[in-house]
Amino acid sequence: AQKVTQAQTEISVVEKEDVTLDCVYETRDTTYYLFWYKQPPSGELVFLIRRNSFDEQNEISGRYSWNFQKSTSSFNFTITASQVVDSAVYFCALSGQNDYKLSFGAGTTVTVRA
Amino acid sequence: DAGITQSPRYKITETGRQVTLMCHQTWSHSYMFWYRQDLGHGLRLIYYSAAADITDKGEVPDGYVVSRSKTENFPLTLESATRSQTSVYFCASTLLDYTGELFFGEGSRLTVL
Repeated sequence: AQKVTQAQTEISVVEKEDVTLDCVYETRDTTYYLFWYKQPPSGELVFLIRRNSFDEQNEISGRYSWNFQKSTSSFNFTITASQVVDSAVYFCALSGQNDYKLSFGAGTTVTVRA
Repeated sequence: DAGITQSPRYKITETGRQVTLMCHQTWSHSYMFWYRQDLGHGLRLIYYSAAADITDKGEVPDGYVVSRSKTENFPLTLESATRSQTSVYFCASTLLDYTGELFFGEGSRLTVL
């Protein structure tokens, strides 16, 4: 069975601070995919990134960066210089090879105060 | 506009009534999914479909029924609604492409009284 744990329920920061969201996963698959989705207050779900288990390179996209560590089964997400518009619920998710059923974590609510 | 649409967006019903949530996508995506979102649980998969006439259970299928007679439609039916089915329901679809990105509908908020 696959499991995703996001231990942080809520994080509150002041604008321009960095914030790191933790994601720990469990899977027996040797090939798998990890995702991050954002859910702003408006409620829609926005795809941020997908990584496969063979690619452990960290990735940066603007103010967003992701740190994938297979040794610790973690796929953490950092927002640098946070902005009020980053306020949202962020979900980490996992799927197996050729399996598009995503298992989601419980989500982390990020509040960025001006 | 192309996309994935859900209806109704909001629904209030009573215990024991049948409710159908509709999902329509215009991309001809092969895979479609129904998730429910509850506080503390994230999104949990109810049912999914790999193609027309092919459906399978997800993590929390009890109390729900799905069908997929056409590729573009994937309705979710609560045959006899219960209070525990009060939730926000999301439909999603995807192609079998590199990104594996799920495209989500806007969600349907269901309240069962």
